[in-house]
Amino acid sequence: SQQGEEDPQALSIQEGENATMNCSYKTSINNLQWYRQNSGRGLVHLILIRSNEREKHSGRLRVTLDTSKKSSSLLITASRAADTASYFCANSGNTPLVFGKGTRLSVIA
Amino acid sequence: KAGVTQTPRYLIKTRGQQVTLSCSPISGHRSVSWYQQTPGQGLQFLFEYFSETQRNKGNFPGRFSGRQFSNSRSEMNVSTLELGDSALYLCASSLVGQGSYNEQFFGPGTRLTVL
Repeated sequence: SQQGEEDPQALSIQEGENATMNCSYKTSINNLQWYRQNSGRGLVHLILIRSNEREKHSGRLRVTLDTSKKSSSLLITASRAADTASYFCANSGNTPLVFGKGTRLSVIA
Repeated sequence: KAGVTQTPRYLIKTRGQQVTLSCSPISGHRSVSWYQQTPGQGLQFLFEYFSETQRNKGNFPGRFSGRQFSNSRSEMNVSTLELGDSALYLCASSLVGQGSYNEQFFGPGTRLTVL
């Protein structure tokens, strides 16, 4: 299967803590996108990291990419209750996006 | 700019019926993709339309079909509904379609329940 695997499946942290979630694929990674989904709603694009990049920052988000290990990680620093959502990685290339199964993050105030 | 809209938001059908879902992309976007999301399978790609042509298709049976109109609005149809078709159906639009650097803008989804 080309589908990505995310780890952990669920994560619960206190407000102010950092949250790290990982994503891996069995197939090669082209460019990696991260999306957020609030409960039962559409996905919102967070960040894209290109295959020739190793790390990228956007606000409180930090994404790393290791193409040799076919994996990526998303770090959310100083988490807030509003960060509670599911987070998905998506492998993007010239074919349709292939999403991971998601990490469900709960940030407790 | 208005976002991606999907109608209806919720739908209840019975087995054997058919259903049509609608998606209006962001103005100027020519690509519309459809996804099925279920707790067990996650997000699965259904198909992508670009300029009224199906450009990519996922691994779904022929009961799932779609089309795109000249104004880029898209519909997907599911015939002979099965219980397993219960899911959140998401539509996403982008300027030029699926690809490495193309951000997909998602609608809120249509929640389909098959009884």
